[in-house]
This record gives sequence, C-alpha cells and structure tokens, in this order.
Amino acid sequence: AQSVTQLDSHVSVSEGTPVLLRCNYSSSYSPSLFWYVQHPNKGLQLLLKYTSAATLVKGINGFEAEFKKSETSFHLTKPSAHMSDAAEYFCVVSGWGSSASKIIFGSGTRLSIRP
Amino acid sequence: DADVTQTPRNRITKTGKRIMLECSQTKGHDRMYWYRQDPGLGLQLIYYSFDVKDINKGEISDGYSVSRQAQAKFSLSLESAIPNQTALYFCATSAGGQGDTQYFGPGTRLTVL
Repeated sequence: AQSVTQLDSHVSVSEGTPVLLRCNYSSSYSPSLFWYVQHPNKGLQLLLKYTSAATLVKGINGFEAEFKKSETSFHLTKPSAHMSDAAEYFCVVSGWGSSASKIIFGSGTRLSIRP
Repeated sequence: DADVTQTPRNRITKTGKRIMLECSQTKGHDRMYWYRQDPGLGLQLIYYSFDVKDINKGEISDGYSVSRQAQAKFSLSLESAIPNQTALYFCATSAGGQGDTQYFGPGTRLTVL
C-alpha cells in the first residue's frame, strides 16, 4: 500500500528566508516521488521528481528535495524564499511501473511569503 | 499553445443537469486522467485511460462517466449533477513508465446549484 502525508497544511515564511515543506511517504516497493506546485487559478506544474537515481534532486526555481529512505521522507527546500513562491505545493508518490490507481497525492501545503 | 487544454474553464449548472467537461492534449501521450480537487483534500482520481480502448475507474468514479474519443481527447460527464460535485476538475496526461510525470490542464471550476 502507498500513502503520502504532508505534515503542514500551511507554512508562512519571510521573503529571503529558507523554505521547508515536509512530506513523509509509505510504499511497499521503490517509489517515484514528485513535488508539484499550483499557483492560484492555475494547473499543477512539476517542480522535481525522484526516480531512484541521485537522492538529492534539484528542481526548477531553486527548489530541491532529498529522498531519505531511512526516514521515509522527501522534504522540499529552498534557501531563500521569493514572493513568487507563494502557492500550493503537493507531494505525490507513485509505484514503479504501476497503474494510475497507485498515484497518491498529498493534501497540499499552502506556502505564504511575508514581505 | 498549452499542451493540455480544458473546456469550459468555468461552469455553473443546476442539480440534475447533464454536464460534459472536455480535455485535449498535444503531447502525444497515451495516458490521460481526470481528477477533482476539493479544499484540503489534494487531488482525487476519478477515471484514467492508458489508451483509446482502456478506461479504468479511479477512487471516486461514482456519479461520473468518461469517453476517450481519440488519443488526444478525454471527456468527463456528470450524468445528473449534484451540489457535492462542486469542485475544481483537472485533466492530466502522461507518457507512462517509471517516474511518470503528469502534465496538467488549467482546470475547470464547476459549481452545481
């Protein structure tokens, strides 16, 4: 069975400070993990993904995430927040070579940026 | 032009009406999906299709039906709309395989009165 938990429904940081969005997962087999971003009134856009290669994954707009198997985590980070980062972020887990029914979305984390 | 388009973008309808949401993609992918998004719940899978002849129910298919008219087109129908189907609906497409990335449309906001 697979599941994904985003530990914070809302995160607020000041512009220029680090961002940490937390995601824990469970999977019976080697998962693929994704972070998607959704800006207001927009569809979802892929930020980055992990597919069993390097455990530190770099994405667009300065975001990165580290796959930690021992902690079953895939937290999203950015060294310095920008106002344009304000959005909803979704952590997603999917099974390797599996059907779409094994694609699981987290409930989302809303990121707010204070000036 | 956008890779995945959805029509309409917004729709207000009444209880009991039949509604069709349409999705087209230009990425040449075989796989297409319909999701609904409700606040605080993330995205839930309604139906998915791995090719034109393959249609599968997702986790919340009751009250919905789909049609895969061509590789590029995947429509979602609400046969008799009810208020708790008020939500944001997303279509997505993917190529398949390990690390399968989904590409999303802009969404359709549906309100059922």
